[in-house]
Amino acid sequence: EDKVVQSPLSLVVHEGDTVTLNCSYEVTNFRSLLWYKQEKKAPTFLFMLTSSGIEKKSGRLSSILDKKELSSILNITATQTGDSAIYLCAVERLGRAQKLVFGQGTRLTINP
Amino acid sequence: ETGVTQSPTHLIKTRGQQVTLRCSSQSGHNTVSWYQQALGQGPQFIFQYYREEENGRGNFPPRFSGLQFPNYSSELNVNALELDDSALYLCANWDRGFTDTQYFGPGTRLTVL
Repeated sequence: EDKVVQSPLSLVVHEGDTVTLNCSYEVTNFRSLLWYKQEKKAPTFLFMLTSSGIEKKSGRLSSILDKKELSSILNITATQTGDSAIYLCAVERLGRAQKLVFGQGTRLTINP
Repeated sequence: ETGVTQSPTHLIKTRGQQVTLRCSSQSGHNTVSWYQQALGQGPQFIFQYYREEENGRGNFPPRFSGLQFPNYSSELNVNALELDDSALYLCANWDRGFTDTQYFGPGTRLTVL
């Protein structure tokens, strides 16, 4: 059965710290891995990764995929209170339907 | 702003009732997916519609059904509601064009008492 596991489940840090969130997966017919940020309701898109070893960056956020280890990390540097959210990792399977398999999420809390 | 809208924002039902949730996209994408997100969990895939036909389904019973209309708006229907159906229901459009990304609507919070 397809599985996506995120760690840690919860993380509390101080503003200015750097955090690393982890995602590992066991999914057949892998197509891509996506990261989303969920603050109140709608998950908002952060990154899509398809190729191993290529880092994607957006401001203080960056992510990289390791297809050999079946894992990905999301880094956030110089954290701000506005980074507090649930971060979701999802894997897209190849197939007739564009199905995303999500992990349970990491709840990140940034204290001032 | 993703351009995906959902209604209602939240609603409360009792066990055994039926509910219809709605989703629409400003840009008229022809693929819509529905997800259920229970409290403290990641979203779970319910099903996907492409050009008005269901083309994929997750592990949800038949009392979860859907429709997609010619204008690509969509409905999720749940019959015989159970307490465990209480969750945030999200719909998403997949933009296979420039961004190749799945965009989510704000969700409908369903509470079953």
